[in-house]
Amino acid sequence: ILNVEQSPQSLHVQEGDSTNFTCSFPSSNFYALHWYRWETAKSPEALFVMTLNGDEKKKGRISATLNTKEGYSYLYIKGSQPEDSATYLCAWDRSNDYKLSFGAGTTVTVRA
Amino acid sequence: DAGVIQSPRHEVTEMGQEVTLRCKPISGHNSLFWYRQTMMRGLELLIYFNNNVPIDDSGMPEDRFSAKMPNASFSTLKIQPSEPRDSAVYFCASSFQDVTETQYFGPGTRLLVL
Repeated sequence: ILNVEQSPQSLHVQEGDSTNFTCSFPSSNFYALHWYRWETAKSPEALFVMTLNGDEKKKGRISATLNTKEGYSYLYIKGSQPEDSATYLCAWDRSNDYKLSFGAGTTVTVRA
Repeated sequence: DAGVIQSPRHEVTEMGQEVTLRCKPISGHNSLFWYRQTMMRGLELLIYFNNNVPIDDSGMPEDRFSAKMPNASFSTLKIQPSEPRDSAVYFCASSFQDVTETQYFGPGTRLLVL
């Protein structure tokens, strides 16, 4: 049972367009929210770790926001490029117990 | 830094055989995690170790699965006997218990049980 939900499951975006998608998680016992980028045939790579309500992180054209009170995070990709095509996973870290609960991911396909 | 190292990268075996997957975490990391990726269940945590001690093995499917971490630089995940439904990609990840707890994943072992 996944208590971390991501939507949509997949999306297609035209090169140059911007997009965003959602991660929902339990707001109780929150410690941190992680975003990973997972390219096909590779392993997940860490993008961001966010711990504070209202946190915003940015890495190049990718950014993320966090709302711990309502239990959601958005990931934004600005000016999508084909190399942004990947599955983006979020993971909920509760109360510092070392475990991450992963969502099923949002698979982004950028069309040239 | 070589990152998390897993071996083998691919394994094809017959039902009933023993399978051993190996992982070398990043030097200095004190937590190690074994995950399984399947289409049906996504990325699921099997077991994790902290300072070489198993902390939570509630994700281990059944008694056919076992994991050990004899020292800080090596861990194994064993399946005995293997079954076709064990076919999946198995990832090992390690982390250092700082405030971020970011996990660093190995390349995975793709297991096919015939």
